[in-house]
Amino acid sequence: DAGITQSPRYKITETGRQVTLMCHQTWSHSYMFWYRQDLGHGLRLIYYSAAADITDKGEVPDGYVVSRSKTENFPLTLESATRSQTSVYFCASSDRRERIPRSGANVLTFGAGSRLTVL
Amino acid sequence: AQSVTQPDIHITVSEGASLELRCNYSYGATPYLFWYVQSPGQGLQLLLKYFSGDTLVQGIKGFEAEFKRSQSSFNLRKPSVHWSDAAEYFCAVGLLNTGNQFYFGTGTSLTVIP
Repeated sequence: DAGITQSPRYKITETGRQVTLMCHQTWSHSYMFWYRQDLGHGLRLIYYSAAADITDKGEVPDGYVVSRSKTENFPLTLESATRSQTSVYFCASSDRRERIPRSGANVLTFGAGSRLTVL
Repeated sequence: AQSVTQPDIHITVSEGASLELRCNYSYGATPYLFWYVQSPGQGLQLLLKYFSGDTLVQGIKGFEAEFKRSQSSFNLRKPSVHWSDAAEYFCAVGLLNTGNQFYFGTGTSLTVIP
């Protein structure tokens, strides 16, 4: 199916365990992003990637690791999950052609989200 | 501090009534402005965007928004709300030369009553 898909949609894990959230997009978009959504905070950027093998930190990167070996995939790993990482995680992508001149800000297309609970 | 503010956490309107959702930002320069909608259990969908030019922009689903520089606002409006408009609405800002970062408001939850 075309689009941007996240898996798993729901995950329950325990403190200290490693968790990987997957994100796959079929549009060959250059840019991909990970956000977390928490009540009272809106969406906050965790990491983003401008292309394969290029990643950069966002607003709240601590405790997370990303990689992008292929353009279409952008997995997010919590190496040792903590309760504070209980959240809904959204992956997003953007086509370079949507890039706003001068700002680098892009129009984002979001996945359906992954709800992670850390016990 | 730089911020995007959506002062209304939750709004309830009757079906057929008009709607206005508020968004204010505090940045020195003119930002690029967006409104996204999130239906329950879904990702965020772009409603409309403002880059430059006409300060009244039209979006999908009958929504429009007006950029007012003097008030640092980008309020979202719809003349007649439908029950299917019940969702969470997010205002977002993209700034000049900030790379690929958006700054999102905390969202406004819209309930539509018959």
